Amino acid sequence: DQQVKQNSPSLSVQEGRISILNCDYTNSMFDYFLWYKKYPAEGPTFLISISSIKDKNEDGRFTVFLNKSAKHLSLHIVPSQPGDSAVYFCAASHTGTASKLTFGTGTRLQVTL
Amino acid sequence: NAGVTQTPKFQVLKTGQSMTLQCAQDMNHNSMYWYRQDPGMGLRLIYYSASEGTTDKGEVPNGYNVSRLNKREFSLRLESAAPSQTSVYFCASSPWGAGNTIYFGEGSWLTVV
Repeated sequence: DQQVKQNSPSLSVQEGRISILNCDYTNSMFDYFLWYKKYPAEGPTFLISISSIKDKNEDGRFTVFLNKSAKHLSLHIVPSQPGDSAVYFCAASHTGTASKLTFGTGTRLQVTL
Repeated sequence: NAGVTQTPKFQVLKTGQSMTLQCAQDMNHNSMYWYRQDPGMGLRLIYYSASEGTTDKGEVPNGYNVSRLNKREFSLRLESAAPSQTSVYFCASSPWGAGNTIYFGEGSWLTVV
């Protein structure tokens, strides 16, 4: 039972355009959501997070939107840069589980020149 | 600034052999985790330790044991390796409590033949 789903395995975007990565979840107990970025042969690195009490969080070129009623979140990258090419994982946790994260399967973003 | 350090980085095992993956963190974090990453499966939690002296099963604990040696170190043991345990293993750590970011090591590539 996949509680966190990233239905797009890959996404290709031109440099300078917006990248939108989507994530859906099924567990209504989740109250904290994170995005991680992963380059080949490296560990995932934290990118941005959002608590369920918010519907938007912004950090430079990265913005995460949360729609609790739809159990959906998205990561927007504007403008996209070639260095953003990586696999992006959506993750979620809930208050009763310390910081245990449940991950999606990842979306590979390719930013082309 | 080392963060989370895992050893070994690469290992090839024969079916039935045993081995231990070592992990240490220097961020004074209370909680530590072991995840595995497989193609199309995202990252799945094997075991975690919410604080020194405690360990709990995650999503895929079968075939593994863990030891929280002290606050810094959390090891993962494969008692009798199987080909299904061929994977990339990531150790991670975080401050105790919900809503905290998890920080990952660089990964250990394990092949069981």
